[in-house]
Amino acid sequence: DAGITQSPRYKITETGRQVTLMCHQTWSHSYMFWYRQDLGHGLRLIYYSAAADITDKGEVPDGYVVSRSKTENFPLTLESATRSQTSVYFCASSELGLAYEQYFGPGTRLTVT
Amino acid sequence: EDKVVQSPLSLVVHEGDTVTLNCSYEVTNFRSLLWYKQEKKAPTFLFMLTSSGIEKKSGRLSSILDKKELFSILNITATQTGDSAIYLCAGGSRGNTPLVFGKGTRLSVIA
Repeated sequence: DAGITQSPRYKITETGRQVTLMCHQTWSHSYMFWYRQDLGHGLRLIYYSAAADITDKGEVPDGYVVSRSKTENFPLTLESATRSQTSVYFCASSELGLAYEQYFGPGTRLTVT
Repeated sequence: EDKVVQSPLSLVVHEGDTVTLNCSYEVTNFRSLLWYKQEKKAPTFLFMLTSSGIEKKSGRLSSILDKKELFSILNITATQTGDSAIYLCAGGSRGNTPLVFGKGTRLSVIA
């Protein structure tokens, strides 16, 4: 039972490159989320999705794109990476809804040089 | 704008001490208050408190919700070095909005 997985776990990329972070969950949870975590800022929501083909912006969506064609996958794309997007990215899912417990993936540490 | 504020930002205690972590919230149409523990990896869910469940306990950890004063506390008794982590709280709304997380309290337990 894998739960929720993220890939890659570590990524180094150059400024201006496009990079996609993958998130996959095996629970068939309806809700999925992308956060970034930075020192001093805590967890900040980038995008979330209530179901396949339904996505919404969070607190810090600029520079990011998401899609959700299948319930189990929720990829996050940085269209043109910038150094300010160096961060740890967490994907999460929830069965019950936006106000209920979320289960987090192991995270992807992204460095933009 | 909804917000969640945690205090203190960091705390150092000795093994065996009891600690209290604080979380105050301003959440429109409040539904839930959640606590997470984050060690050197992803946050893991601890408790969810709602109107119908204002006290939760699991082993040495316990939490209460005060809906009148808009805060929650997380108590850890007989602390151990394994309790060292960042503790996050988050507020949830009945509206169509996602959880709002606080910035966390970093707890260090020293032997």
